[in-house]
Amino acid sequence: AQSVSQHNHHVILSEAASLELGCNYSYGGTVNLFWYVQYPGQHLQLLLKYFSGDPLVKGIKGFEAEFIKSKFSFNLRKPSVQWSDTAEYFCAVNARNYGQNFVFGPGTRLSVLP
Amino acid sequence: EAGVAQSPRYKIIEKRQSVAFWCNPISGHATLYWYQQILGQGPKLLIQFQNNGVVDDSQLPKDRFSAERLKGVDSTLKIQPAKLEDSAVYLCASKTPQGSNTEAFFGQGTRLTVV
Repeated sequence: AQSVSQHNHHVILSEAASLELGCNYSYGGTVNLFWYVQYPGQHLQLLLKYFSGDPLVKGIKGFEAEFIKSKFSFNLRKPSVQWSDTAEYFCAVNARNYGQNFVFGPGTRLSVLP
Repeated sequence: EAGVAQSPRYKIIEKRQSVAFWCNPISGHATLYWYQQILGQGPKLLIQFQNNGVVDDSQLPKDRFSAERLKGVDSTLKIQPAKLEDSAVYLCASKTPQGSNTEAFFGQGTRLTVV
């Protein structure tokens, strides 16, 4: 069965600090990878996605993620966070041989201090 | 385009009562999911439909939960009877058909509190 782990439960940063959120998954086959964000009181929104090709993908609001197949990782990065990035971040995996449901990690809560 | 619509947004019931949630996916999205998100955790799949057929309901507690998607569009999720541990946000999501490389689009969710 697929599983997704996220390295940090809660990250606290000051504005302008750099961000890296870790995500690892367990599955040996072909995967699609996603980062979703949930701002307070809002629904899950897609930040970025990886299906194939360049392992460095860029998403909205200055976020990017790198897929490292050998490490089963898909870490999320942003060079300079803003207060408005305060939210919960979820890594998700969609493995084609498992009927294409989305398996989510436990989430990382990011708090950005002004 | 219109997003995934869910109702109600909030529901408070007593244990052993029944409750139903409704979802209207994005037009043309054949795949529909129901997820349960307990506070502090990531969403967990309850059931996945492809049109009006069930693709995966292996994690649905079938003794108390049921879901249907009769005409391949709207879906309802029912809990009967509810337990305290069912308190969670119930998320509906949809995507274009199975086999396509696209993301899932999520609704606002229904926050259920069982007291």
